[in-house]
Amino acid sequence: NAGVTQTPKFQVLKTGQSMTLQCAQDMNHNSMYWYRQDPGMGLRLIYYSASEGTTDKGEVPNGYNVSRLNKREFSLRLESAAPSQTSVYFCASSLAGVRTDTQYFGPGTRLTVL
Amino acid sequence: SQQGEEDPQALSIQEGENATMNCSYKTSINNLQWYRQNSGRGLVHLILIRSNEREKHSGRLRVTLDTSKKSSSLLITASRAADTASYFCATERGSGYSTLTFGKGTMLLVSP
Repeated sequence: NAGVTQTPKFQVLKTGQSMTLQCAQDMNHNSMYWYRQDPGMGLRLIYYSASEGTTDKGEVPNGYNVSRLNKREFSLRLESAAPSQTSVYFCASSLAGVRTDTQYFGPGTRLTVL
Repeated sequence: SQQGEEDPQALSIQEGENATMNCSYKTSINNLQWYRQNSGRGLVHLILIRSNEREKHSGRLRVTLDTSKKSSSLLITASRAADTASYFCATERGSGYSTLTFGKGTMLLVSP
């Protein structure tokens, strides 16, 4: 039972390049989330998917797109990377997105945009 | 915008001492959670307290919630070096689908 996995672990991009961050969970969770973590800023929600087939914007969605490929997988795409998107990206999942849910986090992807 | 704000930003103590971290928030919440993050790792859930609860315990952790002051505290008793990590509070509010809003965290260093 791997929990939440993310690939890649590290990535360096040049400004304007595109890439997709992959996330998968094996806990049969319905809800999945993408966060970014910047020094001194805590975690900020980029996008979330309440259930398979739905996605919604979070606090900081600009410059990102997401795809809920199936119940297990939720990807985050940067179409044209900018230095401001240098951050650590975390994927998380929860059982049903109800109020008492806890979230389970992946190990993170460290992205540098030059 | 950040809903929860932890205080202090950093805390350094000796093994065996107690560590107290505080979280303040701005608007009414449904529940509040605390998470731990070891350096370079993902967050791990510690404890959840509902808005109608005042105190909750889990092992060496004690969480209090004062909705009138819009604040919560996390107490770790008899700290160990392995407790060294960042601790985040996360608030859940609203009437629809649930999302969490995280604070900026408290960095705790426990020295042997």
